[in-house]
Amino acid sequence: KAGVTQTPRYLIKTRGQQVTLSCSPISGHRSVSWYQQTPGQGLQFLFEYFSETQRNKGNFPGRFSGRQFSNSRSEMNVSTLELGDSALYLCASSLPAGAGETDTQYFGPGTRLTVL
Amino acid sequence: AQKITQTQPGMFVQEKEAVTLDCTYDTSDPSYGLFWYKQPSSGEMIFLIYQGSYDQQNATEGRYSLNFQKARKSANLVISASQLGDSAMYFCAMRAMNSGYSTLTFGKGTMLLVSP
Repeated sequence: KAGVTQTPRYLIKTRGQQVTLSCSPISGHRSVSWYQQTPGQGLQFLFEYFSETQRNKGNFPGRFSGRQFSNSRSEMNVSTLELGDSALYLCASSLPAGAGETDTQYFGPGTRLTVL
Repeated sequence: AQKITQTQPGMFVQEKEAVTLDCTYDTSDPSYGLFWYKQPSSGEMIFLIYQGSYDQQNATEGRYSLNFQKARKSANLVISASQLGDSAMYFCAMRAMNSGYSTLTFGKGTMLLVSP
């Protein structure tokens, strides 16, 4: 079974631009979560989607948005890029399990975004 | 809210030796899951092992075992017979099982270097 795929793997943008990152989950997985990883802040949760609905959101400004399609693929968008948005963006997919059940997230290789 | 603390920024071990990576956690949720992930320099987060808060026995997966001490709120990862390929960042993470979300809270990570 293929793993989580993310495109593009590397991206260079300039301040003020916008960017769209894509994530394809493991086949059969319906939940997709996004995380931002930086040396200073570590791994921070961005948002989680299930059945095309955002069901949880981290503490990030409105410039960060996302969506999920009917085939469970997800995209995240960052508008008006800032230097501080340079990071590794990780996507993770899971079934998901119901409350009280094991729900392991499997991660993609990440998209490394550099903002100049 | 959950909090994960990994106090060891870096660890060194010789090949074939065992190593313990520390993780302590804090949560008010009665039911939670604890996860360990490995992140090589390539960036992908690789799931290693899971422990549920109500599991009676410590989890094991091949060379990985989780030393779960609920009263101490610790979930240390033990890697037996270290290999050169084990050199990577290791992250401890947790999920509140009754939240209805798949969201993980991560620690800052421990960099493990295995020497020949």
